[in-house]
Amino acid sequence: QVTLKESGPGILQPSQTLSLTCTFSGFSLSTYGMGVGWIRQPSGKGLEWLANIWWDDDKYYNPSLKNRLTISKDTSNNQAFLKITNVDTADTATYYCARTLIGGNVMDAWGQGASVTVSS
Amino acid sequence: DIQMTQSPASLSASLEEIVTITCQASQDIGNWLAWYQQKPGKSPQLLIYGATSLADGVPSRFSGSRSGTQYSLKISRLQVEDPGIYYCLQGYSAPYTFGAGTKLELK
Repeated sequence: QVTLKESGPGILQPSQTLSLTCTFSGFSLSTYGMGVGWIRQPSGKGLEWLANIWWDDDKYYNPSLKNRLTISKDTSNNQAFLKITNVDTADTATYYCARTLIGGNVMDAWGQGASVTVSS
Repeated sequence: DIQMTQSPASLSASLEEIVTITCQASQDIGNWLAWYQQKPGKSPQLLIYGATSLADGVPSRFSGSRSGTQYSLKISRLQVEDPGIYYCLQGYSAPYTFGAGTKLELK
């Protein structure tokens, strides 16, 4: 059974760096074809893909966030991470991580989401 | 970036009715299209991948199809548990992009 769970600071101030952790089980990020993606959703709005990291450490980012994103992984501890620098109120959202499978880049299992509020 | 134009934005349908939601891709994405259902307060759940393949555990009343760059999700007989917001997602090239969503309600 594949499970993922996001964790984050809950609330942070503008200009700070948001650090998110995705802890997962049921698969390994050292296995060919496995990846983890991050997606966010402001309250009442749609979904926005942010970044993906793959088993071979290949990384993809959404250019709309203008180099503010850094994705990484700790394979031995079954974790993936996302950092967003210089946050502002527009980064307030629920952040999801999802297992991604090569061959269609299908996000087939999602975490429950972590709510993040940026406020002064 | 590839744009995914999803329609309708909302619809209301009766139990047992047939429902169809479409996504139009701005360029060829092959079969790299997935459909998700999201219920209030929950994370999205995969319904269809590869444009037409049913995800594990998804009822057979859900189906996906493709005609060129237009993709459709069909619910053959709407059930009481089907209302929610449905999204398409293209996985052809980064940045991966979602449709704006379709809010499905029971009439």
